[in-house]
Amino acid sequence: EAGVAQSPRYKIIEKRQSVAFWCNPISGHATLYWYQQILGQGPKLLIQFQNNGVVDDSQLPKDRFSAERLKGVDSTLKIQPAKLEDSAVYLCASSNIQGPGEQYFGPGTRLTVT
Amino acid sequence: TQLLEQSPQFLSIQEGENLTVYCNSSSVFSSLQWYRQEPGEGPVLLVTVVTGGEVKKLKRLTFQFGDARKDSSLHITAAQPGDTGLYLCAGGWTARQLTFGSGTQLTVLP
Repeated sequence: EAGVAQSPRYKIIEKRQSVAFWCNPISGHATLYWYQQILGQGPKLLIQFQNNGVVDDSQLPKDRFSAERLKGVDSTLKIQPAKLEDSAVYLCASSNIQGPGEQYFGPGTRLTVT
Repeated sequence: TQLLEQSPQFLSIQEGENLTVYCNSSSVFSSLQWYRQEPGEGPVLLVTVVTGGEVKKLKRLTFQFGDARKDSSLHITAAQPGDTGLYLCAGGWTARQLTFGSGTQLTVLP
């Protein structure tokens, strides 16, 4: 079974530029999550999708961050414009509806904003 | 905000030693998960515990969920360099969301 795929793996941009990240979850997983992990900290949930609907985006800085999951499969996370404090690893995870909710993570995208 | 505190934050030990890391909260969770994360990779699930007092073993790793489902511990016996990594606990409740602790960075020296 293929795991969660993310791209790109690394991205360096200047502040005020835009960037987009892509995630392909495990086949059949209805729930998809985007997390932000700042160095030395645990992942922080940004947004949760159930199929193509948003379940929770309460911690998403909506003035600059946006995410979509068209057709309930792949998802993109966009930052526009980026700030220095957005430098972090952006992790995508997916889970299925059954069970206590184990999440399976992709390798992440390391973003550096200069 | 439901917080999970992990201790210690950093741990450096010699190969063969035993260690315990802790995960504590003031909130009750319906489940608690432990993940290990290596540099450049996403967290990988090690175990899920759902019942208060539950103990699970995974080779040299022993996981325990507190009776009140507010805390958990991870014990590693005879640590090996391959155990090096960031250990994260994550508490789950309704809506299938997890709150992650800040992690324990473990280094096992050969």
